[in-house]
Amino acid sequence: AQSVTQLDSHVSVSEGTPVLLRCNYSSSYSPSLFWYVQHPNKGLQLLLKYTSAATLVKGINGFEAEFKKSETSFHLTKPSAHMSDAAEYFCVVISKAAGNKLTFGGGTRVLVKP
Amino acid sequence: DVKVTQSSRYLVKRTGEKVFLECVQDMDHENMFWYRQDPGLGLRLIYFSYDVKMKEKGDIPEGYSVSREKKERFSLILESASTNQTSMYLCASRQPGLAGANEQFFGPGTRLTVL
Repeated sequence: AQSVTQLDSHVSVSEGTPVLLRCNYSSSYSPSLFWYVQHPNKGLQLLLKYTSAATLVKGINGFEAEFKKSETSFHLTKPSAHMSDAAEYFCVVISKAAGNKLTFGGGTRVLVKP
Repeated sequence: DVKVTQSSRYLVKRTGEKVFLECVQDMDHENMFWYRQDPGLGLRLIYFSYDVKMKEKGDIPEGYSVSREKKERFSLILESASTNQTSMYLCASRQPGLAGANEQFFGPGTRLTVL
């Protein structure tokens, strides 16, 4: 079985300050991990993915995430938040052991204050 | 550019009605998926299809059925809509790869309200 826990349902940051969105996963096989972003009234868009290559993954819009197997974590960061980063973010795990089905975390809603 | 479209952005139906949600992808993807999205629960998989005329139950299939007669189209059917099916419904497609890690492409969603 696999599962994903996003540790914060809401995160509030000021524009220009760092963003940290925390994600822990559980998987019985070598997983692949994704971060998706959903802006209001828009579909989900892939930010970045980890597929057993480099553990530090760079994505779009200045986001990056680090896969830490020992901590079963895949936290998403950005050094400087922009107003356009206000959205909901989902951490997702997929593995062969789970039939290659995606399992989503509960989501983290990010508010960016001017 | 990759595109997944859903027939409606907003739908309002009455309890007991039969509801059809349509999804079309233009990428020739083999796999298609239906999810529902509820606050705090993320996305939960309802049904998926590996290929034409194939379907598999996801994590929450009760009260739903699907149809995939053509590769590009995947329909979600609520046989008798109930108020607890009020939700956002998202369709996705993917071309499977060896590692199974190919990203899924999502449609904009259909917000269904059942009164």
